[in-house]
Amino acid sequence: GAVVSQHPSWVICKSGTSVKIECRSLDFQATTMFWYRQFPKQSLMLMATSNEGSKATYEQGVEKDKFLINHASLTLSTLTVTSAHPEDSSFYICSARDQWGLHYEQYFGPGTRLTVT
Amino acid sequence: GQQLNQSPQSMFIQEGEDVSMNCTSSSIFNTWLWYKQDPGEGPVLLIALYKAGELTSNGRLTAQFGITRKDSFLNISASIPSDVGIYFCAGVSGNTPLVFGKGTRLSVIA
Repeated sequence: GAVVSQHPSWVICKSGTSVKIECRSLDFQATTMFWYRQFPKQSLMLMATSNEGSKATYEQGVEKDKFLINHASLTLSTLTVTSAHPEDSSFYICSARDQWGLHYEQYFGPGTRLTVT
Repeated sequence: GQQLNQSPQSMFIQEGEDVSMNCTSSSIFNTWLWYKQDPGEGPVLLIALYKAGELTSNGRLTAQFGITRKDSFLNISASIPSDVGIYFCAGVSGNTPLVFGKGTRLSVIA
């Protein structure tokens, strides 16, 4: 299957600082990428949908000014957690959609473990 | 948001046994996807289904797209210890986000 990379795999930052997470589709172009957050023993929670060249669509309850998403190219989307607080500590996973005609396959990155101290 | 009904929530099986899990929805989907997630990792796509009634295999895994388009099942034959993990179903129609099940946690006893 296709490969999605995510960097960094883990990061520890101090409260009040910002953290950028990169998501790349390595062997396909993704017009649509997604950012998820996952709490322990729970399913993935969609944060936002990112379309190349346009503004991201955020899910209800997700602060767009806090979680900045940039999808600047067909292979790269970034999530910046601004002014991070301990409650932002979580496992963040990006996903890229490979679409041909009406068919989709969606691939996930390995995730980024964020710890805010 | 919408979520699929995935069952069972967890399973404890002996190595070598077959496993079956399923997902149901109140909505129709055009695509069903099955993923496996290991601890601390992102989900890995196992099987994608695109047509009602479609039966697709990937090694020891077999999945089917229900005729009504509202359900799908995943079977694992002759389970092995590395099958341990959480299995998620996901449905999608159109260019919308995936709708996930809550996952089935599989434990394999050697």
